[in-house]
Amino acid sequence: DSGVTQTPKHLITATGQRVTLRCSPRSGDLSVYWYQQSLDQGLQFLIQYYNGEERAKGNILERFSAQQFPDLHSELNLSSLELGDSALYFCASSPMGQGAGANVLTFGAGSRLTVL
Amino acid sequence: DAKTTQPNSMESNEEEPVHLPCNHSTISGTDYIHWYRQLPSQGPEYVIHGLTSNVNNRMASLAIAEDRKSSTLILHRATLRDAAVYYCILRDVWGNSKLTFGKGITLSVRP
Repeated sequence: DSGVTQTPKHLITATGQRVTLRCSPRSGDLSVYWYQQSLDQGLQFLIQYYNGEERAKGNILERFSAQQFPDLHSELNLSSLELGDSALYFCASSPMGQGAGANVLTFGAGSRLTVL
Repeated sequence: DAKTTQPNSMESNEEEPVHLPCNHSTISGTDYIHWYRQLPSQGPEYVIHGLTSNVNNRMASLAIAEDRKSSTLILHRATLRDAAVYYCILRDVWGNSKLTFGKGITLSVRP
């Protein structure tokens, strides 16, 4: 157990639907990152939050949105789902204190989304 | 953003050392070099990181070139359990890592 909790582990839904993936970071970590991993792609960075504020944005589609709540958990919302959105979605967290470049990322086990 | 490049795949024999390369020619002076690996059906896990000096931990060693434009992850004695995808990324001093992990190096270990 890495300390980063992602729910649900598996999700099957239909095209056009909307889903929410949830992430609880490791205790003490202030920053949350979301990544997407498709079958033939590497880990694609989507978005990063730090203490409730958006910190960095990657290749996140406009149909996707995320937020980090005061208790530091984060949710990734995926809407108007398409077949191509089927992927593993990983959440990671890090402390982001002084010397943050040295802070390691701790990943969750992922949420597998299947869009039919 | 600084970028890393890695070969797509490498093979090794069990119990032999493995050297996994990573090029990061546009690294800035304050970027940390991080290595992660992803075992089959699991989330990525941290392996090692460094800034300028070589680093050792229980999992691996990290050799950083003097000009810091490349680094090598060294697994001293590969085991079957080390078969995984290995990613090299850079994190700036503020802890930002916008850079995607990319496809990494797929390491196969032969018994």
